[in-house]
Amino acid sequence: DTEVTQTPKHLVMGMTNKKSLKCEQHMGHRAMYWYKQKAKKPPELMFVYSYEKLSINESVPSRFSPECPNSSLLNLHLHALQPEDSALYLCASSQDYLRPSNTEAFFGQGTRLTVV
Amino acid sequence: QKEVEQDPGPLSVPEGAIVSLNCTYSNSAFQYFMWYRQYSRKGPELLMYTYSSGNKEDGRFTAQVDKSSKYISLFIRDSQPSDSATYLCAMSAIRQTGANNLFFGTGTRLTVIP
Repeated sequence: DTEVTQTPKHLVMGMTNKKSLKCEQHMGHRAMYWYKQKAKKPPELMFVYSYEKLSINESVPSRFSPECPNSSLLNLHLHALQPEDSALYLCASSQDYLRPSNTEAFFGQGTRLTVV
Repeated sequence: QKEVEQDPGPLSVPEGAIVSLNCTYSNSAFQYFMWYRQYSRKGPELLMYTYSSGNKEDGRFTAQVDKSSKYISLFIRDSQPSDSATYLCAMSAIRQTGANNLFFGTGTRLTVIP
């Protein structure tokens, strides 16, 4: 099973709303990631959690707030977003680097977010 | 200079052709190399994964890594219309945090014409 599950698939929210994106994996991976992807562009890294601790924050605005409740779950809390935040938000997971034979990252299908 | 360079295409080939996709990179610390296929409005799907140098084959797909030239390739044999997608190369280095921070190419849009 190499599945990363993201919910919801689509989300439309107003600029004053609060919403959350959810991500789940059951591969025993200890690193989980949030990426943002705009049309015709590659994914851009937002956050990395390693062993449930935030290890990388790529200078993301505070209106995006990640949370890792346990090793299988990753959330992204959204508040007071702007229309330019509309994008495909991708979750990914990978095994840790101590196992170089299987550090590949697997992506979910994404949440297509539209901010109105 | 970007860390990873990839020709964005678009690339159009007839069905059955051999497709060659390439990326170059500048960071000699990269050791993990991946190719992803992404259909429109979907998440990237991992196609090939290579650690360090060498070749890897999986069905119609072959990945090659030449670390001395900082150059990676993906070959698709007997291309099919269902191969029409954007192909992203990605690579990373070992990190103290244990996480795999990927550096992506811009993606090459491929169309296989029946």
